[in-house]
Amino acid sequence: EPEVTQTPSHQVTQMGQEVILRCVPISNHLYFYWYRQILGQKVEFLVSFYNNEISEKSEIFDDQFSVERPDGSNFTLKIRSTKLEDSAMYFCASSRDRGTGELFFGEGSRLTVL
Amino acid sequence: KQEVTQIPAALSVPEGENLVLNCSFTDSAIYNLQWFRQDPGKGLTSLLLIQSSQREQTSGRLNASLDKSSGRSTLYIAASQPGDSATYLCAVRLGSYIPTFGRGTSLIVHP
Repeated sequence: EPEVTQTPSHQVTQMGQEVILRCVPISNHLYFYWYRQILGQKVEFLVSFYNNEISEKSEIFDDQFSVERPDGSNFTLKIRSTKLEDSAMYFCASSRDRGTGELFFGEGSRLTVL
Repeated sequence: KQEVTQIPAALSVPEGENLVLNCSFTDSAIYNLQWFRQDPGKGLTSLLLIQSSQREQTSGRLNASLDKSSGRSTLYIAASQPGDSATYLCAVRLGSYIPTFGRGTSLIVHP
């Protein structure tokens, strides 16, 4: 069964370092998302991506964040200069349709900023 | 701004009980509502997707209903098992097409 895959599963980094989280969405899906979940809190929307550009972003997704689809299969989230409060589980998701499509999530990448 | 509330926040029941988990939302103009399961430290597994034109969806022991006029969805779990222990999340998709999550219901089913 097709699935969304994410790497790495866990990354530990020092404050101020750049981090890139990678995702491979389901192959025939067109809409891609990043969500995050701080420990013990709700799943929060960061950004959505369609047709090689950002379609929606939340107030969390500031200038320190960027997304890219570099090669037609990978979908990446970059955090330029990590802060302690960026420590969270980051989830990638994809769907075939924008409004009605079922959302499929990856297993997540746990980011720990020291 | 859409608010999604899930009640109860936590639930502990003996094996075999039938359960009802609730999800309420403030804006009735939704496209769809999706229920997920999340095991500790893991990703979100899709359980059921209900489109705005539908009243309910069923998968095995799970049944989800949608009442847009009252802003509510319920997830019914029949004959609960210890393997059902997890956090159950609902996500509501509005006109912006971005699914908004509730905080979830943490379920423990003990043998």
